[in-house]
Amino acid sequence: KAGVTQTPRYLIKTRGQQVTLSCSPISGHRSVSWYQQTPGQGLQFLFEYFSETQRNKGNFPGRFSGRQFSNSRSEMNVSTLELGDSALYLCASSLFREYEQYFGPGTRLTVT
Amino acid sequence: SQQGEEDPQALSIQEGENATMNCSYKTSINNLQWYRQNSGRGLVHLILIRSNEREKHSGRLRVTLDTSKKSSSLLITASRAADTASYFCATVGGANNLFFGTGTRLTVIP
Repeated sequence: KAGVTQTPRYLIKTRGQQVTLSCSPISGHRSVSWYQQTPGQGLQFLFEYFSETQRNKGNFPGRFSGRQFSNSRSEMNVSTLELGDSALYLCASSLFREYEQYFGPGTRLTVT
Repeated sequence: SQQGEEDPQALSIQEGENATMNCSYKTSINNLQWYRQNSGRGLVHLILIRSNEREKHSGRLRVTLDTSKKSSSLLITASRAADTASYFCATVGGANNLFFGTGTRLTVIP
């Protein structure tokens, strides 16, 4: 079975721009979660999608949004980028969110 | 905060020794999971222990859970250089939200 894939792997953006990150879950997994990881804040939950519906949302501003398609692939979007958005963005899929999560390699976003 | 906390923050041991790291959390849980992360990469699921379980084994890993103390420990026996990584506990609560701890950075010296 192919693992979770994330594209792109690395991204450099300028403050004020917007960015879209993509995640393809393991086949059959309907739950996709997104996390932001920074040295200062650690791993923080962004949101979770299950069958195209956002089921849970972390404590992030509205600039962070996401969606899930009928094939379970998910995208997250960050608008009006700030320097503090520089982070490793991790996507994880699972059969159900409370089960073990399978993580992708992450997208390293640098905002300059 | 619902986030767990690992202790110690960093641990350095010799190859062959055992490594123990602890996780404390604040709210009631459905299950607790441990993950490993090699530098700057995705997390790998290690083991899941349910709230009604007290101990679980997987290869060289042993996890205990004490819900009365809201704590868990991960023991890695006979450590290897390849075990060098950061280890995170993650708790799953009533709303099935998953919260990760702050992590323990383990260094195994060959």
